[in-house]
Amino acid sequence: SQQGEEDPQALSIQEGENATMNCSYKTSINNLQWYRQNSGRGLVHLILIRSNEREKHSGRLRVTLDTSKKSSSLLITASRAADTASYFCATLLSSNDYKLSFGAGTTVTVRA
Amino acid sequence: KAGVTQTPRYLIKTRGQQVTLSCSPISGHRSVSWYQQTPGQGLQFLFEYFSETQRNKGNFPGRFSGRQFSNSRSEMNVSTLELGDSALYLCASSQGTSGTEQYFGPGTRLTVT
Repeated sequence: SQQGEEDPQALSIQEGENATMNCSYKTSINNLQWYRQNSGRGLVHLILIRSNEREKHSGRLRVTLDTSKKSSSLLITASRAADTASYFCATLLSSNDYKLSFGAGTTVTVRA
Repeated sequence: KAGVTQTPRYLIKTRGQQVTLSCSPISGHRSVSWYQQTPGQGLQFLFEYFSETQRNKGNFPGRFSGRQFSNSRSEMNVSTLELGDSALYLCASSQGTSGTEQYFGPGTRLTVT
């Protein structure tokens, strides 16, 4: 079974708007990572946030982590057509765990 | 640095056949992981190798196997193919230390007819 669940499943926004997607997970984690996938291709790593961190930024991306609620959010600001992709959260359960557990993903469509 | 490469990119096989997929990690990376992606089950972890040793294994039948060579290149094999094995198989490499991000290859699209 999947560790993470993303919400919403799909999101359609206008270029320039912000996109927010959420990820909830079931068990305690070592870190949580977000990945992007374009049209059934390989995944691209976006950002990693550790369990003792609450917020991280990378360019137009902002990730938050709330371990008490077992949830994370990914915010993409000022979206562009090139941001159209599927976004996945993935968790690593412990420091000795090398298996990423992925959520089902959020499909984001950015309209020009 | 060159990225993770996977060969072949596309493959069509018949039920009952076997298949071998190959993955070359980023230079210097010693860990290789394999994932299966299907519309129904999403991304599922198959196994992970580090220095030729399997460290983690997912919940897949024994028909799925893998190995890693001394140069860190990895292969996965699926025997007695079933229709349900049709999927995108993704390989990812990392330095192998705990808690690091993984770098994915473009995947091998396997279709079983």
